[in-house]
Amino acid sequence: GAGVSQTPSNKVTEKGKYVELRCDPISGHTALYWYRQSLGQGPEFLIYFQGTGAADDSGLPNDRFFAVRPEGSVSTLKIQRTERGDSAVYLCASSSLGTGGRGETQYFGPGTRLLVL
Amino acid sequence: KNEVEQSPQNLTAQEGEFITINCSYSVGISALHWLQQHPGGGIVSLFMLSSGKKKHGRLIATINIQEKHSSLHITASHPRDSAVYICAVRQGGNKLVFGAGTILRVKS
Repeated sequence: GAGVSQTPSNKVTEKGKYVELRCDPISGHTALYWYRQSLGQGPEFLIYFQGTGAADDSGLPNDRFFAVRPEGSVSTLKIQRTERGDSAVYLCASSSLGTGGRGETQYFGPGTRLLVL
Repeated sequence: KNEVEQSPQNLTAQEGEFITINCSYSVGISALHWLQQHPGGGIVSLFMLSSGKKKHGRLIATINIQEKHSSLHITASHPRDSAVYICAVRQGGNKLVFGAGTILRVKS
């Protein structure tokens, strides 16, 4: 079946602009995660959804970052007034239960490469 | 100090060699993940461990909860194993904390 998909695959924008990044999780997966990966670093947690609600948004760096998942499936990560430091690969992952149980695997999308000029 | 430390940062091996990548963590965890990331960004989950040892093909992962340490071993390494290997820990709840990754290059 289809895996996690993310669009666009690449996004170039200018400093100060607004961007939206989209994630389509695996069908039926209730949990959805956003991560950010800077060059040469491991991914960094941003936000986790269980269904439609954000269960943990402690990783969002500031109030320029916001994410929604209105119908419990597709999610959009929104970045306002982009800064050059926002340049990174934004990864989305989904899992079937979202309970944090030991037997849970997260399935990752290919990521969106954001470059802020 | 990062909560998850990996070593080495970079590793070059000859085809056929036995490879070990290490992960140490400083927090209590409910599970530890080993992930593989190929150029272009795609991340694949290799293992999820909470105790003991797991094996899948030429890959073996072990964890010592008391010592807060895990290792990923690759036997009979092959150039197609070249990738970034990332250790991540789950602290309870659903948040994963990632190491910086180990860049592995296997030469033929």
